Amino acid sequence: QKEVEQNSGPLSVPEGAIASLNCTYSDRVSQSFFWYRQYSGKSPELIMSIYSNGDKEDGRFTAQLNKASQYVSLLIRDSQPSDSATYLCAVNIGPIIQGAQKLVFGQGTRLTINP
Amino acid sequence: DADVTQTPRNRITKTGKRIMLECSQTKGHDRMYWYRQDPGLGLRLIYYSFDVKDINKGEISDGYSVSRQAQAKFSLSLESAIPNQTALYFCATSGTGSTDTQYFGPGTRLTVL
Repeated sequence: QKEVEQNSGPLSVPEGAIASLNCTYSDRVSQSFFWYRQYSGKSPELIMSIYSNGDKEDGRFTAQLNKASQYVSLLIRDSQPSDSATYLCAVNIGPIIQGAQKLVFGQGTRLTINP
Repeated sequence: DADVTQTPRNRITKTGKRIMLECSQTKGHDRMYWYRQDPGLGLRLIYYSFDVKDINKGEISDGYSVSRQAQAKFSLSLESAIPNQTALYFCATSGTGSTDTQYFGPGTRLTVL
């Protein structure tokens, strides 16, 4: 079983709808979780981070974390064509005592927003 | 100017050649990372460095070596390149907290013929 799994897609969503991206992870002691967006040919950029169970909202983006189910998701409301990109889920599996950050990435979900 | 830069941006080389990819950052971060990205496999960690004197192997370090010349510079070497090292390589930096964001460079596209 991969440490971090995402549905590779492609996921196609009409403009203005809600896009829902999902990620599961295998390490029960993981404490920090990140969503990166990567446009084709570009480098990943952080859009959301979440550390506690529940929801975290930032503009049109909401990250949801359920540690008991080892599940993290990203919702994009009012989807825009500019949201079309690959979304990477990353989980920190580093040893907490060092405050280390050793990220394991999922394979990414390719999202297309259709006008 | 970009905070994290990588050189070269593109490189085509032949099997058996030695290649060095360089990364520089102006963010003042202690931690630096090298990843490779292959289609359908996401980003995989090659090496990471918590400071100039601390270098650690990632999940796919075989065939690679690194050098941390200064806080701001972290180089990745392929001693004898092989075709399955053809990939997109990213350097990243972060602060020292476990929740700190990793900032990525623009990437180097390496092709080994």
